[in-house]
Amino acid sequence: AQKITQTQPGMFVQEKEAVTLDCTYDTSDPSYGLFWYKQPSSGEMIFLIYQGSYDQQNATEGRYSLNFQKARKSANLVISASQLGDSAMYFCAMREGEVQGAQKLVFGQGTRLTINP
Amino acid sequence: GAGVSQTPSNKVTEKGKYVELRCDPISGHTALYWYRQSLGQGPEFLIYFQGTGAADDSGLPNDRFFAVRPEGSVSTLKIQRTERGDSAVYLCASSSDPTRARNEQFFGPGTRLTVL
Repeated sequence: AQKITQTQPGMFVQEKEAVTLDCTYDTSDPSYGLFWYKQPSSGEMIFLIYQGSYDQQNATEGRYSLNFQKARKSANLVISASQLGDSAMYFCAMREGEVQGAQKLVFGQGTRLTINP
Repeated sequence: GAGVSQTPSNKVTEKGKYVELRCDPISGHTALYWYRQSLGQGPEFLIYFQGTGAADDSGLPNDRFFAVRPEGSVSTLKIQRTERGDSAVYLCASSSDPTRARNEQFFGPGTRLTVL
């Protein structure tokens, strides 16, 4: 089974609108971390936001917020007031297990976001 | 400060040849990771170093792939007898404190490997 599922291959949004990128995950481990990365056409992966499985509140970082619904195993990324520079591939990733013993990230297939002027 | 750097940025080789890909992590970062990203896919984990030792090499696809980090900073990913299926972008990442839950990984620009 896929560990991370991103069901939207592509999204098109008007500039200044908010956008939600979907991510569902599959794990039986009670301890895990969820990450979102942005990959512009230049290829470099840029860290956006992190949510720990025990965190009580949804994570926020500037215009990025994470809609974490633990019972549904979803961790959707919300970008408010989208900008042309937000056009990129977006990847959801998970780290399973206790921090010291488990460091690898498992990535989803990604969503290509295009912001239209 | 300087981010993660990778050299070369592009490598074209012929099937059966040996290649080395280099990664310079962010100064002071103790953890280093290698991932492979095929076209249209998310990155796939290959290997993780904590200091000089490989703490997790479960993602290496076969014994043609090997990685070292002899002094705990620069790492080299080595691929023997390259095959066309090895063509991908090889990404390196580093992080400062694996004991932290957040422990975000900072990625380099990648090396695009093409095996003809």
